Order: sequence, then C-alpha cells, then structure tokens
Amino acid sequence: DTGVSQNPRHKITKRGQNVTFRCDPISEHNRLYWYRQTLGQGPEFLTYFQNEAQLEKSRLLSDRFSAERPKGSFSTLEIQRTEQGDSAMYLCACRGSASYTGELFFGEGSRLTVL
Amino acid sequence: DAKTTQPNSMESNEEEPVHLPCNHSTISGTDYIHWYRQLPSQGPEYVIHGLTSNVNNRMASLAIAEDRKSSTLILHRATLRDAAVYYCILRDTIGGTALIFGKGTTLSVSS
Repeated sequence: DTGVSQNPRHKITKRGQNVTFRCDPISEHNRLYWYRQTLGQGPEFLTYFQNEAQLEKSRLLSDRFSAERPKGSFSTLEIQRTEQGDSAMYLCACRGSASYTGELFFGEGSRLTVL
Repeated sequence: DAKTTQPNSMESNEEEPVHLPCNHSTISGTDYIHWYRQLPSQGPEYVIHGLTSNVNNRMASLAIAEDRKSSTLILHRATLRDAAVYYCILRDTIGGTALIFGKGTTLSVSS
C-alpha cells in the first residue's frame, strides 16, 4: 500500500456516459499526476498538478477529459461522453519532494471498461 | 525527452542475479536515469535512480556506463515476486516534471 487511494477501482459504463475517478494522494504530497495505461503499454502521462494548479496537460487529454484538484488535496478525473477507446487503467501518482528526482508514488488505478 | 531502448522480455531463475539493460544514447547531461517496475495488477513502483555514479539501495543496484549512454539495473537475487515489467526512464531536470514511460522489459522468474 503506497498511501495513494483511487476510487472506484473498477467501472463499467456504456458508451456515451460520463465517468469520474477520484484520487486521494499522500497528504503532504503537493504534486499529483494522472496517467492512462492500456494493455501491453506503459503508462501515458495525461496531466500534472502542483497544489491546485494544473501545470501540464498532455495532448492525449482531449476536450472530453477534465481534471481538477480544487483544494490541492484530492483530485478528480472526469471523462465525458465515453468512447470504447477510453477503456484503460487510469493511474494517479503523487510526489512530495521539492526535488525533481523525488520518486512518484502510484495508486493501484481505476480500471474503466466502456461497452 | 530523450528515449530509452530496452529488451521486450527477459527470463531468469529464482535466486540468480538479473541484469536488465537500458540504452539511452541521446541522454543529455541533465537527464537522471530512473527505474520503476510494475507488478501485475498494480501501479508502478519506484526502484532506483541515478545521474552518473553507480547507486545501490535495498531493492537493486544501478550501474551507469561511464559515457552514460547505457545503464543496467541489477537484481542481486531474483525472487518470484520480482516478476514484473521494468521501465527505464530518463527524467530531465529542466522542463516538464512528468515521467514518460516506454514499454519496458517484462521479466519472468522461474523457480
């Protein structure tokens, strides 16, 4: 257990529905990342928060995706109008060190299946 | 980001040392070398990182070539629990903070 909690762990939805994932990072960690991972691939970076500010967004983060971290603690990732191609594991990670070399702590992920 | 090249898969026997190679010929002077691993059905976990000198910790050792164009992650005695995908990642000290993962090396360990 890394201390990073993600919910729900599994989500099955129909195409066109909206889904939201939540990440509760380690409490003192102010840097938070979202990744997406499909079968057989490494995790792909989606977005990065420092405290409540969203500082980086990958071009993978289409208009249907939105992430928030309202109080600099937990974060949510919402996918609107889901498509079958959105089926993946969504991973949250956090880092607390001020140093860029600080390790990332990952949660166990939220698996999305879009039917 | 500079890229890394790793073998798709490797096999090992339990209690034997494992050397996982990584090539990064375009590494820049400000790139740190990070290793993460991902056990089945889990998120990635940090293993080790280094810049120029060889590094040791409780999980593994990292041997970095003198020209820094390659590195090797060394598991001194493989166990069945070390079966995982191992990712070698370059992290620039300037610019974005995200780790960019490749496909990694799938390590199988046999008893």
